[in-house]
Amino acid sequence: QKEVEQDPGPLSVPEGAIVSLNCTYSNSAFQYFMWYRQYSRKGPELLMYTYSSGNKEDGRFTAQVDKSSKYISLFIRDSQPSDSATYLCAMIDRGSTLGRLYFGRGTQLTVWP
Amino acid sequence: NAGVMQNPRHLVRRRGQEARLRCSPMKGHSHVYWYRQLPEEGLKFMVYLQKENIIDESGMPKERFSAEFPKEGPSILRIQQVVRGDSAAYFCASSLGQTSAIEAFFGQGTRLTVV
Repeated sequence: QKEVEQDPGPLSVPEGAIVSLNCTYSNSAFQYFMWYRQYSRKGPELLMYTYSSGNKEDGRFTAQVDKSSKYISLFIRDSQPSDSATYLCAMIDRGSTLGRLYFGRGTQLTVWP
Repeated sequence: NAGVMQNPRHLVRRRGQEARLRCSPMKGHSHVYWYRQLPEEGLKFMVYLQKENIIDESGMPKERFSAEFPKEGPSILRIQQVVRGDSAAYFCASSLGQTSAIEAFFGQGTRLTVV
């Protein structure tokens, strides 16, 4: 079993839709949870991160962490064609040097006009 | 302020040759991380370095791979005697300090193709 599982999609939605992206994980020591956006042939770009459980909102993006279920989500409201990219979840283990990120394989999202 | 710079962006090597990938961190950043992204897979951690020190190399293959981050100059990821399975995108990230790995900035990657 991989430490971080993420459905690769692809996911295709119309402009304006609410998008839900999810990851599950098996390591209960993960304490920081990140979401990255990666455009084709580019490097990952950090969207937001959350510490432990709870919600965090930033504009059209909301991240949720449920540590009891080992489940994290990213919601995108009012999705735009410019949101079309691959979204990667990532996590850090509190017992590590805090230098190693564990990534999901990414979900490919297309928002069509 | 320039971002994390990786070069070359594309690298083609024949089997058995050496590949050298360079990463210049953002100005003021002293922590560098290397990740590999294989087709249809997520990014996999390889190594975490500070200036002149390897902090965590638990993700590095035991043979043929090495990394350094000298006092002066870029970080180098070196792959000796490349094989087809080394073909991947290699990403470097940098951060101000250890606790800032969470907010590390990634470069655009080097795409290595072994023919």
